[in-house]
Amino acid sequence: KAGVTQTPRYLIKTRGQQVTLSCSPISGHRSVSWYQQTPGQGLQFLFEYFSETQRNKGNFPGRFSGRQFSNSRSEMNVSTLELGDSALYLCASSPREQRGIRYNEQFFGPGTRLTVL
Amino acid sequence: GENVEQHPSTLSVQEGDSAVIKCTYSDSASNYFPWYKQELGKGPQLIIDIRSNMDKRQGQRVTVLLNKTVKHLSLQIAATQPGDSAVYFCAERSTNDYKLSFGAGTTVTVRA
Repeated sequence: KAGVTQTPRYLIKTRGQQVTLSCSPISGHRSVSWYQQTPGQGLQFLFEYFSETQRNKGNFPGRFSGRQFSNSRSEMNVSTLELGDSALYLCASSPREQRGIRYNEQFFGPGTRLTVL
Repeated sequence: GENVEQHPSTLSVQEGDSAVIKCTYSDSASNYFPWYKQELGKGPQLIIDIRSNMDKRQGQRVTVLLNKTVKHLSLQIAATQPGDSAVYFCAERSTNDYKLSFGAGTTVTVRA
C-alpha cells in the first residue's frame, strides 16, 4: 500500500495570505489527523477528521480549519497567515474503527514545510 | 492527556551500546503509548507501541516498558547502529479522545 501523501511538500507565503494543504491517507483509512511541528512547541495536535466529520480539535485559533472529503482525503486551511505559522504540518492516517474494531495506530506523511515571510 | 515529559533531550551513544529514553505522563485515562522515530526531512515513523493492558513489549532491537502506577514509560534501543540516529518521540492517547500528545523529543546520535 502507498503511504500517506501530502502536497505540496514546500510552500512559501507572506503574512496575511491564506494557504491550503492537502493530505491523502493510506487506502482504506478513514481517519486523518493534522499536527503542527515547530522547534519551540514540538508536535501539537490541530484536529482530526473521521468519516467527513471533525471529531477532535486542538487549541489553535479559528484561522486553522480543515475538512475531509468522501474519499477520506483531507485539506487544512490557514487564513491570515502570521510569521508564527511557519512550521512543518503533518498529516496522520488511521483506520480508527473498522467492523467494530478500534485501531490505535497513526501513520504520518512526510509533511508540508510552510514558511511565512 | 496534555502533559508528556521526555528526557533526555539529547543522547549520544557508541555504536553497539544501548540507548534508553524515558517519558512520564499525567493523564490516568491514557491507554495507548506509541513511539516514533523521525529522520531529517521525513515524517515520524511508528517504531513500536504499547497499550495500557501490557507492561512490556519487544520489537526488533527495541523494548518498551510501561509502569502505569507511576505513569512512566521507556524505550530501549539495543545494539545501536548509525541508522538509529534520529529524533525519537514518545506519545500518549487518552481513552476519551483520539489525539496524540507528544513528548518534546530526544535526539539520538550513534557514534561509529
